[in-house]
Order: sequence, then C-alpha cells, then structure tokens
Amino acid sequence: GAGVSQTPSNKVTEKGKYVELRCDPISGHTALYWYRQSLGQGPEFLIYFQGTGAADDSGLPNDRFFAVRPEGSVSTLKIQRTERGDSAVYLCASSSRQGIHNEQFFGPGTRLTVL
Amino acid sequence: GESVGLHLPTLSVQEGDNSIINCAYSNSASDYFIWYKQESGKGPQFIIDIRSNMDKRQGQRVTVLLNKTVKHLSLQIAATQPGDSAVYFCAERDTDKLIFGTGTRLQVFP
Repeated sequence: GAGVSQTPSNKVTEKGKYVELRCDPISGHTALYWYRQSLGQGPEFLIYFQGTGAADDSGLPNDRFFAVRPEGSVSTLKIQRTERGDSAVYLCASSSRQGIHNEQFFGPGTRLTVL
Repeated sequence: GESVGLHLPTLSVQEGDNSIINCAYSNSASDYFIWYKQESGKGPQFIIDIRSNMDKRQGQRVTVLLNKTVKHLSLQIAATQPGDSAVYFCAERDTDKLIFGTGTRLQVFP
C-alpha cells in the first residue's frame, strides 16, 4: 500500500520567505509526527499530532514554525521568515495507535534550502 | 537526503561478514528502543525494536542487544550484504516521540 508521502521533495527559498511543507500520512493512521534532520545528524522531533490536535509541540524551535492538521489526515508544516539555519530535511512520520509498539513510518522528507 | 551521514562514524565491512553497530542512549527510564536504516534520499526505515524488559531480540539476519546497566544498544547484522549499506540510527521512545542517536554509516565492500 501507499506509504507516507511528502511534497515537495525539494524546496529552495530565499531568506525571509514563507514556506509550506506537506505530509500525507498512511491512510487510517491517527498519529502524525514532524522531525527535522540536519546534515550529519539524526532526526530531531518537532511536533506530534493525535488526530487534529497537536499533542506535543515541544520540539518547535521558535514561533516561526507552525503546523496544522485540520482534518486529522494531511498535515502542513509552515515556516515564516525563513533563515539559513532552517535548511534541513524535514521528515514526516505516521503511526497507528492500534499497534502495540506504535511503529512510526517515515516519508522520504522534504529538503529545504534557504539561500 | 543523500547528504545525511557525511560526518558520521563509518563502519566498513566485507560482504558476507557480520556487522556490529553500537549506540549509547541517554535516558535510563526509556522503555522502548528501535533501530532504523536510512538510505540516501530516503526517510528512516524500521529494522527491529526491543522493549526494556528484554535484553535480546532477533529478526531476519538482525539481532538487537540491550544492556540497561550501561545504557547501550547494539545492532548485529549477519552475513552483511551490499544492500545493507546505509546510515543506521538507534532511537529511544520518550512518551510518543523518538529521540534519535548519532548515526553510523555502514559501508559494505566486495
């Protein structure tokens, strides 16, 4: 079946611009996660949704970052006034709360480059 | 993406040999651990997991060992194949989110 998909796969923007990154989770998965992966690092947690609500947004670095999941499926990560330090791969994952171990299935990521 | 792992520790093994990748975790209260494989340009892929009430778990060609005393995890890959070449991450669960460790690049040469 279809896995987690993310669009765009690559995004190049200029410093100060606004960007939106989209995640389509696996159908039926109620939990959705955003992570950020910088060069040479492991993914770092940003935010977690259970259904439509953000259950944990403790990983968002500052108020320029915001994410929504209005209908409990697709999620959008929004970054305002982008900075060069925002350049990274943004990963989305989803999981079914029915699983004992709640395995998180990752998408391919969106590579964001801020010039 | 394809640039993940440029500055990571690297383990080079010959095809057919066994590989052992190590990881230290930080939280002694963590109850669940996972190993992920990440190939160039792709997201992390689940390999195997282990709960804290176990010290060993085996899958197909892979074994995870957990030593809670020293907060150490290892991933053993038997008969390493070229397709195993990737960056490997351990992760520990903190409530509902994952905390990833520093990855290790595995290179398999013929």
